[in-house]
Amino acid sequence: DTGVSQDPRHKITKRGQNVTFRCDPISEHNRLYWYRQTLGQGPEFLTYFQNEAQLEKSRLLSDRFSAERPKGSFSTLEIQRTEQGDSAMYLCASQDLFYAWYFGPGTRLTVT
Amino acid sequence: GENVEQHPSTLSVQEGDSAVIKCTYSDSASNYFPWYKQELGKGPQLIIDIRSNVGEKKDQRIAVTLNKTAKHFSLHITETQPEDSAVYFCAASGNAGGTSYGKLTFGQGTILTVHP
Repeated sequence: DTGVSQDPRHKITKRGQNVTFRCDPISEHNRLYWYRQTLGQGPEFLTYFQNEAQLEKSRLLSDRFSAERPKGSFSTLEIQRTEQGDSAMYLCASQDLFYAWYFGPGTRLTVT
Repeated sequence: GENVEQHPSTLSVQEGDSAVIKCTYSDSASNYFPWYKQELGKGPQLIIDIRSNVGEKKDQRIAVTLNKTAKHFSLHITETQPEDSAVYFCAASGNAGGTSYGKLTFGQGTILTVHP
């Protein structure tokens, strides 16, 4: 399968703990995005990388959130001191040269 | 920023009927309009997209139309099948300036149920 992959698929954590998610984009795509989706809503933009450079961050991305894309390949999204409001599906997408976004299966985070 | 409105929020049809989902957008600079299908527990799957230089695009049973003047676009599914049941999202994006470049804004989603 050469699509976008995400790990883990599910994460349950206690409030106050730190969590880290990984995204592996489609190999030839140099643009990578993180989105967050809550139940019954469409995905909301969090942040965007072109190669290793983080070019835009949403105001939804509080100081507790940090994203990296070392070497312009895979990306990680870390949430520190998790809160119950962080419970959501975290989606990663990569973009091809024709401007189409392809999403991964997502990581479902539950904060108890 | 861009705002995308999607209607209806739920749509129920009989197998073989057609289904139409409509979206409006606010940013006249938006130039790329994809549609995604999302099944339970999965990520959104791109099913069709249209760019602002095209008024209509068709792929087998799925078609999308775009009216740039009115700033709305629609998804048409013909000969619906039970496996078409899912949540469908429209989205819009444009290259309207540094901060909006590359950002995809989604509608609220439509739950489509196709009854056998």
